[in-house]
Amino acid sequence: AQSVTQPDIHITVSEGASLELRCNYSYGATPYLFWYVQSPGQGLQLLLKYFSGDTLVQGIKGFEAEFKRSQSSFNLRKPSVHWSDAAEYFCAVGAAGGFKTIFGAGTRLFVKA
Amino acid sequence: SAVISQKPSRDICQRGTSLTIQCQVDSQVTMMFWYRQQPGQSLTLIATANQGSEATYESGFVIDKFPISRPNLTFSTLTVSNMSPEDSSIYLCSVPNLAGELFFGEGSRLTVL
Repeated sequence: AQSVTQPDIHITVSEGASLELRCNYSYGATPYLFWYVQSPGQGLQLLLKYFSGDTLVQGIKGFEAEFKRSQSSFNLRKPSVHWSDAAEYFCAVGAAGGFKTIFGAGTRLFVKA
Repeated sequence: SAVISQKPSRDICQRGTSLTIQCQVDSQVTMMFWYRQQPGQSLTLIATANQGSEATYESGFVIDKFPISRPNLTFSTLTVSNMSPEDSSIYLCSVPNLAGELFFGEGSRLTVL
């Protein structure tokens, strides 16, 4: 069965510290992988995506993610977190055309001064 | 990317009533998705709305409870019928591109008393 697991319900980091949000997936075919961010009271915004090619992908707002097929993981990273990064982050797996996109449970990021 | 507007942004409803959520896209799209995000939860796909055909519902969602209209390529509505407190959620409209990226409206937050 297709699934996405985000093991951390919430994470707190200090402003300026590095960040890694974990994501593991189970998918029958070559996955399309995504990270979305949801700020309070907002819809979801795409941060970055991986379809093929270079396994390290760059996204908006200084985020990057690395696809590791052997570990079925697609972890999100940022070298230096800003207070404005406080939000909910969703990992998702899907296919071309957006069919049957499955979202993880989300990780809420808190940033402390 | 598509710009998606949803109305209402939020509403408080009485048990047993129905509410229709509107979703307007700034470009013509073949497919639109409706998601539900229950409090503190991830996104769950309710149905896929294609213009010119009946919506396709996911397991656990039925047309009588969540009727959907798709009168043209830029507009869709989702009705939440005979509401109960368990229907209190954020309802999100989304459109995909060919690469599988999803673009979301800001959501409609429903509270059922």
